[in-house]
Amino acid sequence: SQTIHQWPATLVQPVGSPLSLECTVEGTSNPNLYWYRQAAGRGLQLLFYSVGIGQISSEVPQNLSASRPQDRQFILSSKKLLLSDSGFYLCAWSGVLREAFFGQGTRLTVV
Amino acid sequence: QKEVEQDPGPLSVPEGAIVSLNCTYSNSAFQYFMWYRQYSRKGPELLMYTYSSGNKEDGRFTAQVDKSSKYISLFIRDSQPSDSATYLCAIRQGGSEKLVFGKGTKLTVNP
Repeated sequence: SQTIHQWPATLVQPVGSPLSLECTVEGTSNPNLYWYRQAAGRGLQLLFYSVGIGQISSEVPQNLSASRPQDRQFILSSKKLLLSDSGFYLCAWSGVLREAFFGQGTRLTVV
Repeated sequence: QKEVEQDPGPLSVPEGAIVSLNCTYSNSAFQYFMWYRQYSRKGPELLMYTYSSGNKEDGRFTAQVDKSSKYISLFIRDSQPSDSATYLCAIRQGGSEKLVFGKGTKLTVNP
């Protein structure tokens, strides 16, 4: 069966510090991978998605970036965090019907 | 006009009640419809997936789609305190890799 791992669960970072969140998927090959951010009252915002290694589509211009160095690995990064980057970050993979299966999320607080 | 509209609630019902959760959408090109349940501080989990007008039933849950009205619903029968969560609708256009989410409705089922 397929599983998705996302870490860390919580993270507190100072403004201006770098960020690296990692997500890995097991039990499937060549999945579509997604990064979402969920802020209070704003719903799920799609940040990036990837249909294959090295292929990244950005949905929102901002100081975040994503990379997919391996088939089942998706990384969300920032060189310098802003206060507005605080939120709940969710990684997801999608099946053949493009339904999304989510990880347990990382709660990021930028202070 | 937003692509997906969902009443954020909150919705509070007694145990055993029938719950009705709803979303409306604006683009008739949307063809695939999903409902997710999200417990506090957890990632969303897929509850129902449907792509045709009509009803789809799974245990106590029924998903209903009315494409002519651009309206989707999730009914929960015999609601339980464990159903207390935020419910998100999600829709997808044919040929698209992306889901569009509603903002979610927070449901509390009181024992």
